[in-house]
Formats: sequence, structure tokens, C-alpha cells
Amino acid sequence: GQNIDQPTEMTATEGAIVQINCTYQTSGFNGLFWYQQHAGEAPTFLSYNVLDGLEEKGRFSSFLSRSKGYSYLLLKELQMKDSASYLCAVADTNAGKSTFGDGTTLTVKP
Amino acid sequence: DTEVTQTPKHLVMGMTNKKSLKCEQHMGHRAMYWYKQKAKKPPELMFVYSYEKLSINESVPSRFSPECPNSSLLNLHLHALQPEDSALYLCASSQFRTSGETQYFGPGTRLLVL
Repeated sequence: GQNIDQPTEMTATEGAIVQINCTYQTSGFNGLFWYQQHAGEAPTFLSYNVLDGLEEKGRFSSFLSRSKGYSYLLLKELQMKDSASYLCAVADTNAGKSTFGDGTTLTVKP
Repeated sequence: DTEVTQTPKHLVMGMTNKKSLKCEQHMGHRAMYWYKQKAKKPPELMFVYSYEKLSINESVPSRFSPECPNSSLLNLHLHALQPEDSALYLCASSQFRTSGETQYFGPGTRLLVL
């Protein structure tokens, strides 16, 4: 099975940088996803890491360390619209299965 | 077109009703998924279809019955639901049923069972 931990809530200021951590313990691992979900809306894909290291995509970056079972999502130059829930999801080696963490609710304040 | 559509957006049903949720994608994806999401909780996988065949059933009660009429459509038939089944039901699709595939989610159907 999968055990995924992320902080429940975080608050940051507009224009700042925030790092959302995710730790996992899994029986099978085939990559880690980050999704963004605004209240009442569907999750949208942000990033996928399967190899160790940092993947940068605009204001968002994601990091993975497989040996430590650890990932983070880094958001730079925060905007009010970044207020959302951020879901870490681990892809299982059983194709089609991804297990989601409980999500981190990020609130961006002026 | 990178859109997954779901109908209806909202549904209220009694415990004796029969209703269906519909999902459609035109991205040529061959894998489609149903998830259930309760408030402030992550999506929970219910079913996975790959090439129109059911490949994963996460021990979902039989009052939920999935159907994949063709590669673009996915239905979820509901019968004799319980109030605790009230949730957001999300459909997703991916190109193939492989672990590293990005899943594209529809907007969901918000279901209330009275």
C-alpha cells in the first residue's frame, strides 16, 4: 500500500516563495505527480517526477528524492490565484493506480 | 481538445432512485477512470477502464455500476445509494493505462443522496 503525508494547511504572502513537502512510503513506485485543485473544481496536472532531481516549469518547480521518499513543490512569485489545494499523488507500479495524499490547502494573502 | 466533460454538474437523488453519470473525452485516450472525492479529502479511485475493458475495481459496492460503451464515453450507473455516497464524482482519462501517464480530470458531478 501507499502512505503519503503532506501538511494540511499553509499560508504565504503574495510575491513570496512557498515550498510544499510530500513524503511517501510505498510498496511500488513509478513516479510522483503534483496536482492543483481549486475549491469546487477538478484537479489539474502540474508536474510529474520519476527520476531524482528538480523539474522547473515556469513559476512552479518540483523535486524528487526516491531514496528519501520525499518530494516538494516550489511555487515562486506567488499570486492570489495560487490559493488552492495541492495534491501529491504517487503512481503505483500497478498501471492506472495513483494514490493521492490528503492535499495541502495553500492560502495566499495580500 | 484537452477537455473531459461530465454531466450532470449536480444531481440530487433519493435512496430508491436510479440515475447515471456521464463522462466524455475526445482526446483519443484509451484509459478512463472514476474517482470519488469527499469534502477536504483527496480523490479515491473507484474504477479504471483500459481499451473499454474494466481493469481495476477498487472493491466498490455493487450499487455503483460502471459502463464503457466506447472509447470516448464512460458511464456510472447509480442504484439504491446511501446518504454517505454523497460526494464529488470525478472522471479522468489518460492516453494509456500506464503509471506515468498524466490524468486529465473532468469538472465532476456533485451528488447528493437524500
